[in-house]
Amino acid sequence: DTAVSQTPKYLVTQMGNDKSIKCEQNLGHDTMYWYKQDSKKFLKIMFSYNNKELIINETVPNRFSPKSPDKAHLNLHINSLELGDSAVYFCASSFKGSQPQHFGDGTRLSIL
Amino acid sequence: SQQGEEDPQALSIQEGENATMNCSYKTSINNLQWYRQNSGRGLVHLILIRSNEREKHSGRLRVTLDTSKKSSSLLITASRAADTASYFCATGANSKLTFGKGITLSVRP
Repeated sequence: DTAVSQTPKYLVTQMGNDKSIKCEQNLGHDTMYWYKQDSKKFLKIMFSYNNKELIINETVPNRFSPKSPDKAHLNLHINSLELGDSAVYFCASSFKGSQPQHFGDGTRLSIL
Repeated sequence: SQQGEEDPQALSIQEGENATMNCSYKTSINNLQWYRQNSGRGLVHLILIRSNEREKHSGRLRVTLDTSKKSSSLLITASRAADTASYFCATGANSKLTFGKGITLSVRP
């Protein structure tokens, strides 16, 4: 009965590879988010989708491409991975507006 | 640019004591929220206070908001070892949350 689930939990890969992270929520929310948390725990918004429409697109390299097939799913594809991409990526969901967000447990991405 | 700035950055207290954490922000907000993050887990929403509210309670949590000073405080009363976590304030505006750097709270048994 997990509310926001993301897979995989751990992702270890080499520089230059392409990888995807998947996220699903069963809370009936209409808005989903991707955040990046660095080693100092700073959490930064990357993207947000509302009913499959991109509404927030922060200054993120275009190697990162989100995709929302429906309002319950938001995936993140990363091309040509770089060392600086190592971080924990969190998916979250909420109702539209500055409402309380529900977070997944994160995907720990390590680039070798 | 970062919106919320919490202080202190780290806090260590004895079980049973109260913990007070502060957050300052820079721009206009619709609301301010506090979240907790346990080690290796995602953030969990604790409490939301709207810009027209001054104080809010939820169980052992008390949040205040002073919009004239652009600051908020989170008080955890009668702390427990299970309260050990990182705490983040987040300001809500324009359908977006902006998080501070977080405060690491350690509660010693």
